[in-house]
Amino acid sequence: GAVVSQHPSRVICKSGTSVKIECRSLDFQATTMFWYRQFPKKSLMLMATSNEGSKATYEQGVEKDKFLINHASLTLSTLTVTSAHPEDSSFYICSARGGEAKNIQYFGAGTRLSVL
Amino acid sequence: TQLLEQSPQFLSIQEGENLTVYCNSSSVFSSLQWYRQEPGEGPVLLVTVVTGGEVKKLKRLTFQFGDARKDSSLHITAAQPGDTGLYLCMSNFNKFYFGSGTKLNVKP
Repeated sequence: GAVVSQHPSRVICKSGTSVKIECRSLDFQATTMFWYRQFPKKSLMLMATSNEGSKATYEQGVEKDKFLINHASLTLSTLTVTSAHPEDSSFYICSARGGEAKNIQYFGAGTRLSVL
Repeated sequence: TQLLEQSPQFLSIQEGENLTVYCNSSSVFSSLQWYRQEPGEGPVLLVTVVTGGEVKKLKRLTFQFGDARKDSSLHITAAQPGDTGLYLCMSNFNKFYFGSGTKLNVKP
């Protein structure tokens, strides 16, 4: 299957700082990437859909100024958590869709964010 | 409101037992994927079902897609501790939606 790389896998930061998470499709061009947030023992919650070369589409209740998404190329999308606070601590997962399998998403390994 | 309802939410069984996980919706799926996620990792695709009534097998896992394409099931035969994880169904209703998840724990 296709490979999606997410970096970093874990980050600990101080409250008020910004954190950038990268999501790369390694062996295919991803026209669309997705960013999810997952709380402990819960399913994935879609935060936003990122299309290469255009603005991201955010789900209801997700602050776009808080969670900045940039999809500058067909292989890279970034999520920046700005002015992070302890309540932003969570597991963030990206996925990519591309190629012939339009209804299949390939997931990164996730990023565990801990805000102190 | 969860578009995809999964049941049960939690399941704890002994090694060797069989189990079935269900994924239901009031809407018709164009296709449906099943994923398994282990703690601290991203979901891994198990299977995609597309055709109503379709049955797919992956070793001890059997996936069924309902005739009306509104429901799907995952049956595991002779569960092993390695099957432990969070099982998620996902489908595309204009956007991609995940089910609520089934947390499976298989005890040795």
